[in-house]
Amino acid sequence: AQSVTQLDSHVSVSEGTPVLLRCNYSSSYSPSLFWYVQHPNKGLQLLLKYTSAATLVKGINGFEAEFKKSETSFHLTKPSAHMSDAAEYFCVVSKPGNQFYFGTGTSLTVIP
Amino acid sequence: DAGVTQSPTHLIKTRGQQVTLRCSPKSGHDTVSWYQQALGQGPQFIFQYYEEEERQRGNFPDRFSGHQFPNYSSELNVNALLLGDSALYLCASSLVAGDYNEQFFGPGTRLTVL
Repeated sequence: AQSVTQLDSHVSVSEGTPVLLRCNYSSSYSPSLFWYVQHPNKGLQLLLKYTSAATLVKGINGFEAEFKKSETSFHLTKPSAHMSDAAEYFCVVSKPGNQFYFGTGTSLTVIP
Repeated sequence: DAGVTQSPTHLIKTRGQQVTLRCSPKSGHDTVSWYQQALGQGPQFIFQYYEEEERQRGNFPDRFSGHQFPNYSSELNVNALLLGDSALYLCASSLVAGDYNEQFFGPGTRLTVL
């Protein structure tokens, strides 16, 4: 079975400081993992994806994620938060056939 | 290149009514998936269509049904609406070739059931 646990429902950081959004997964298959961002009243946008290539994945807007099989984790990081990063972030695990399983989301607040 | 489009943007219905939501996939995509996102929750998979047939289905009752047309566009139908069906309904498109493909999401249809 596939599932995703996002360990923090809310994260607040000051502008210019690092961002860490945590995600643990469970998968019966060799997983593909994604991070999506959802800004208010906008559609979900892909930040990055892992599909069994490099374990450190670089995405858009300076975001990165590291796949750690031993820890079943796929945490999202960014060295320096920007005000425009304030949004809802979803970790996703996919099974064959492309069915997506979403986490419950982490709301990121960036304090000026 | 237009992305995924959905209509209508917002919809208000009363309990017991039926509703149809529409989705046009990103150009070149052949697979459409539908998701329900309740307030404060992550999207939940409803079903996926490919070659005009339902390919996969999540844990949703038969009141939820869909259709895919030859031009790959899709409809989601919900019968006998319940208050709990109030949610944002998201359509996503992708290419079936190869698993684990990125899905492109539309802006969603906000359904309110009174």
